[in-house]
Amino acid sequence: DARVTQTPRDKVTEMGQEVTMRCQPILGHNTVFWYRQTMMQGLELLAYFRNRAPLDDSGMPKDRFSAEMPDATLATLKIQPSEPRDSAVYFCASGFSQGEQFFGPGTRLTVL
Amino acid sequence: GQNIDQPTEMTATEGAIVQINCTYQTSGFNGLFWYQQHAGEAPTFLSYNVLDGLEEKGRFSSFLSRSKGYSYLLLKELQMKDSASYLCAPKTGANNLFFGTGTRLTVIP
Repeated sequence: DARVTQTPRDKVTEMGQEVTMRCQPILGHNTVFWYRQTMMQGLELLAYFRNRAPLDDSGMPKDRFSAEMPDATLATLKIQPSEPRDSAVYFCASGFSQGEQFFGPGTRLTVL
Repeated sequence: GQNIDQPTEMTATEGAIVQINCTYQTSGFNGLFWYQQHAGEAPTFLSYNVLDGLEEKGRFSSFLSRSKGYSYLLLKELQMKDSASYLCAPKTGANNLFFGTGTRLTVIP
């Protein structure tokens, strides 16, 4: 039963600390997405990769956020320094080009 | 700009039929997805429309009118487990989905 996995599931940190979230996409999928979800904004696309190359990160605050795919089995989203307004659920999703996206369980981030 | 308009909340009775409407304005359009999201869980795929018309899949059907920028999700024979948020997501690029805040459906006995 292939599924997207994310770690950690929950993260509580203090303002100014670095946060790294990890995602393992479904084996064989060539597109990977990072989303942020809040009650007010819904699901917002932060970045996406195709064949490990970043294609769109226009939704991401560049000064503090960075997204990478060091290999086909790992995608990372880093926030440095974190701020209280970054508190949200961060989802990773993967899929094939043109097809549906499969979402991971999310990382619930709380920045105090 | 890009915009999605869905009702924020809906309530329906178990066994009934409910229609969740979605109007959208996007720069580029390559089809429309519907996702279901239970509270505290990840979104899961329900349906995909690329051509005008109705796509039926069991108790769920989805309709698309590209010229009107309009879609709806129809849920029949509602069950308590259908209580969830329903997200309309137009595809604006090769694989970019634009999500709104969704419609929270509550099914009551």
